[in-house]
Amino acid sequence: SQKIEQNSEALNIQEGKTATLTCNYTNYSPAYLQWYRQDPGRGPVFLLLIRENEKEKRKERLKVTFDTTLKQSLFHITASQPADSATYLCALPETDKLIFGTGTRLQVFP
Amino acid sequence: DSGVTQTPKHLITATGQRVTLRCSPRSGDLSVYWYQQSLDQGLQFLIQYYNGEERAKGNILERFSAQQFPDLHSELNLSSLELGDSALYFCASSPRIAGPSTSTDTQYFGPGTRLTVL
Repeated sequence: SQKIEQNSEALNIQEGKTATLTCNYTNYSPAYLQWYRQDPGRGPVFLLLIRENEKEKRKERLKVTFDTTLKQSLFHITASQPADSATYLCALPETDKLIFGTGTRLQVFP
Repeated sequence: DSGVTQTPKHLITATGQRVTLRCSPRSGDLSVYWYQQSLDQGLQFLIQYYNGEERAKGNILERFSAQQFPDLHSELNLSSLELGDSALYFCASSPRIAGPSTSTDTQYFGPGTRLTVL
């Protein structure tokens, strides 16, 4: 079955810098990949979806790339703010469900 | 607010007991998913229902069961509770079924039920 790998170590960056988070998968390339944000004690919130035939997707300060050769998606937050501090999860479909990575915690400090 | 509601918000119980968690999906959504998230653990998929029928199962213990009712709300039943069952339990809903080629529906998560087993 598909396995998702996200860096379990927290990413600490300074306000205003670009944060880059990585999501790697192990098996077949999925038809699409999603990114979610989760704040402590709360449910994940959908951010972006990128399809396998799309190289890049943008939404405001967010950008996602999808490289099926590397089996990797990168999630970028430009001009990061302390309010961006959260855990970011990637998810991809497998049969009738989505499977989620364990997430990477982002901490943006002033 | 995602439109998905879960009750109760918190639940404290003892080992060996049985509890029921309830989820109401967003209006119009036919799929309901249940997840377990333990401390410092990722979201573990438990089970999915679509329009009343079970569609996918994850690592759900035999002590756990779920169902989706005709009004589309869902209940997750946890029995013979153990200390290790303490976790956040999330319900999510989507209009259709997530799948590699069927749909790109996002999932809308509820606020979760925090279960503490003492």
